[in-house]
Amino acid sequence: AQSVTQPDIHITVSEGASLELRCNYSYGATPYLFWYVQSPGQGLQLLLKYFSGDTLVQGIKGFEAEFKRSQSSFNLRKPSVHWSDAAEYFCAVAPGGGNKLTFGTGTQLKVEL
Amino acid sequence: DARVTQTPRHKVTEMGQEVTMRCQPILGHNTVFWYRQTMMQGLELLAYFRNRAPLDDSGMPKDRFSAEMPDATLATLKIQPSEPRDSAVYFCASGSGQQGADTQYFGPGTRLTVL
Repeated sequence: AQSVTQPDIHITVSEGASLELRCNYSYGATPYLFWYVQSPGQGLQLLLKYFSGDTLVQGIKGFEAEFKRSQSSFNLRKPSVHWSDAAEYFCAVAPGGGNKLTFGTGTQLKVEL
Repeated sequence: DARVTQTPRHKVTEMGQEVTMRCQPILGHNTVFWYRQTMMQGLELLAYFRNRAPLDDSGMPKDRFSAEMPDATLATLKIQPSEPRDSAVYFCASGSGQQGADTQYFGPGTRLTVL
């Protein structure tokens, strides 16, 4: 069965600093990979997804993620964080061709002004 | 701006009572998912439907939980009888059904507290 690990439970960055959130997955074949963001009291919103092609994926709100097969990773990045980016971020994996998402435990991002 | 809606947003009930949560998927979407979010377990998939038919409910406790789609515009998740351990936020999500790369659009959730 597939699994997702987000090793950082909490991360604090200063506004304007760069951000990288880590995600490692375990799956036998090439998975479909997603990053979602959850603001307090809200549902999850898709930031970006990867299923094939270019390993660097651009998403909404200035986020990008890079799929590295050799490292089984799909890390999320943003060059300059805004205070409004404070939220919880979830990495998720779905087996190729399937719709069942397995989520990581999430990383809580705090942005210091 | 099409959105998934969920009702109620908050529910407080006593142990043993029946709880029904409702979800209206985005019009035209043919896949519906139910998730449960808790601090201890994170986000867990409970069940999902395609074209109103249940495809997978392996994540759902069968003895007390049931999920249905009476029609294409309504999905329900019922707990009977409810227990304190069912306290969680329950999310519904819908998708267009595109294989694999399907984007799931989440509702705002129902926060359930069972006393």
